[in-house]
Amino acid sequence: NAGVTQTPKFRVLKTGQSMTLLCAQDMNHEYMYWYRQDPGMGLRLIHYSVGEGTTAKGEVPDGYNVSRLKKQNFLLGLESAAPSQTSVYFCASSYPRTSGETQYFGPGTRLLVL
Amino acid sequence: AQSVTQPDIHITVSEGASLELRCNYSYGATPYLFWYVQSPGQGLQLLLKYFSGDTLVQGIKGFEAEFKRSQSSFNLRKPSVHWSDAAEYFCAVGTGGFKTIFGAGTRLFVKA
Repeated sequence: NAGVTQTPKFRVLKTGQSMTLLCAQDMNHEYMYWYRQDPGMGLRLIHYSVGEGTTAKGEVPDGYNVSRLKKQNFLLGLESAAPSQTSVYFCASSYPRTSGETQYFGPGTRLLVL
Repeated sequence: AQSVTQPDIHITVSEGASLELRCNYSYGATPYLFWYVQSPGQGLQLLLKYFSGDTLVQGIKGFEAEFKRSQSSFNLRKPSVHWSDAAEYFCAVGTGGFKTIFGAGTRLFVKA
């Protein structure tokens, strides 16, 4: 049982390049989330999904797209990276309840955009 | 608007000393409340959570937190800190939908 895994762990991009971050969970969770973590700002929700084939915008969705083609995977895409997207990205998943349920986090992806 | 405030950006305590990390929230109803811990280079791990009932909640690693409705607070405590407790701690509020609001975090340093 690996829990929540994220790929890659670290990436350097040039401005304008694109990339996809992969999140996978093996706990059969319905809900999945993408956050970004910046110093002094805690975690901010980018996008989330309440089930296979469904996604929704969070607090800071601009510049990102997501897809949930399979229940266990949640992909975060950056179409044209900008320096403001330099951050640590965390994926999380939870059971199909309200936000009263625990979220399980992956180890994070550090992204540097030059 | 809902919000979570952790007033202390960082705290330093001596090993063996007691610890209290502060958390205040703004929410119209009784929220779901969480404390998560993040060790360097790791993701967040749940320490404890409060939904209802007893306002003193016990968590893992010897931590506890007390919900005080009148003060809109959910402070985290530990009677005796160990060097391995050095980490960043996040208070969070679940608002009943799909959204959890996280505080900015408090980084704990432990002196030998």
